[in-house]
Amino acid sequence: EAQVTQNPRYLITVTGKKLTVTCSQNMNHEYMSWYRQDPGLGLRQIYYSMNVEVTDKGDVPEGYKVSRKEKRNFPLILESPSPNQTSLYFCASSRWTSGSSYEQYFGPGTRLTVT
Amino acid sequence: AQRVTQPEKLLSVFKGAPVELKCNYSYSGSPELFWYVQYSRQRLQLLLRHISRESIKGFTADLNKGETSFHLKKPFAQEEDSAMYYCALRTSGSRLTFGEGTQLTVNP
Repeated sequence: EAQVTQNPRYLITVTGKKLTVTCSQNMNHEYMSWYRQDPGLGLRQIYYSMNVEVTDKGDVPEGYKVSRKEKRNFPLILESPSPNQTSLYFCASSRWTSGSSYEQYFGPGTRLTVT
Repeated sequence: AQRVTQPEKLLSVFKGAPVELKCNYSYSGSPELFWYVQYSRQRLQLLLRHISRESIKGFTADLNKGETSFHLKKPFAQEEDSAMYYCALRTSGSRLTFGEGTQLTVNP
């Protein structure tokens, strides 16, 4: 079954305590992304990756880091979380196939609260 | 810089009525546009993309480059269409810019 998994699904932490949210996909997709979803602001892209060791900033990268050492994994790292990073985070993977067909899957989301 | 605007945060229609969710974009290059749907307590799903010109669950969307719009339409709304809808613009690779979203409620 094609899927994108994220862990943890829920996390409450304190300001400044480093954390990592993992994302894994089993579809051999080249592209992976992280988004945050906030009421009234929709989804905003944090970082994206076009392949192993290739990452780039999205619209709101400040305070976040990512790495893509393996094709299937794309962890999101918050070195020093702050309360304004309290949000719902989604990971996604995608690829364009032959004939310009496109498939994309989102993870279930991680609800992060920073106090 | 690219931008996507969904002017309606909330949209309410009755079952069987036509529905149109508006999306406007600004981008200097050649746009590729998508509609996504998020049902309550579910993950985001791709609904349709303008390049494929397909109809999914009765929804269609036409790219109007002159008006820089990509409105989502359905002639007869169903209660199961109630969800949050997002319009998104792809500019390169997996670089996606989303609109703020429109919460559609279809009343019985």
